[in-house]
Amino acid sequence: GIQVEQSPPDLILQEGANSTLRCNFSDSVNNLQWFHQNPWGQLINLFYIPSGTKQNGRLSATTVATERYSLLYISSSQTTDSGVYFCAVGTYGGSQGNLIFGKGTKLSVKP
Amino acid sequence: DGGITQSPKYLFRKEGQNVTLSCEQNLNHDAMYWYRQDPGQGLRLIYYSQIVNDFQKGDIAEGYSVSREKKESFPLTVTSAQKNPTAFYLCASSSGTGGWSYTFGSGTRLTVV
Repeated sequence: GIQVEQSPPDLILQEGANSTLRCNFSDSVNNLQWFHQNPWGQLINLFYIPSGTKQNGRLSATTVATERYSLLYISSSQTTDSGVYFCAVGTYGGSQGNLIFGKGTKLSVKP
Repeated sequence: DGGITQSPKYLFRKEGQNVTLSCEQNLNHDAMYWYRQDPGQGLRLIYYSQIVNDFQKGDIAEGYSVSREKKESFPLTVTSAQKNPTAFYLCASSSGTGGWSYTFGSGTRLTVV
């Protein structure tokens, strides 16, 4: 099956710094989403982005489907950005809507 | 407000017992999912349902069962056959619009004692 690899696994930032999280996937995808899991376990959908670029406030994401990777940019990081960021993909061979998750990038933003 | 409600938040189970985790959504979403998360790991799909009265096994369905009698509800039973049930369980729903964008519940943390 498709492999989803996220890097780095851990990231520590000072408040105000910028960061880039990467997601590589091993096959063509028809669905790619980024999620943030807060320290209490709640997962929030950040972007649906199987291709192209989107921005939402301090966050933006870019997926280059032909090269099988996606990037999540966090600018001017805040302590509330801490948590785990997951990339999840859906494939053409899979059932519509099903997602395969990477292992995540754990982000800690220090004040 | 629309959303997904999971209950209970914490659940303790004795070995050999079956337990049922509740998941209810009022988003009018057709599809619902159950995922399992172990410490330091991503989410793994247990079961999913794209329509009432129909559901499919995910990657780790052994030792679990589900039902989908109503669009709003997708309960998960962790049976005694599940050898290592201690984990964080997450329920999600999605619709075909917006690219199957997911909404997650707040999770149930199950511990075997």
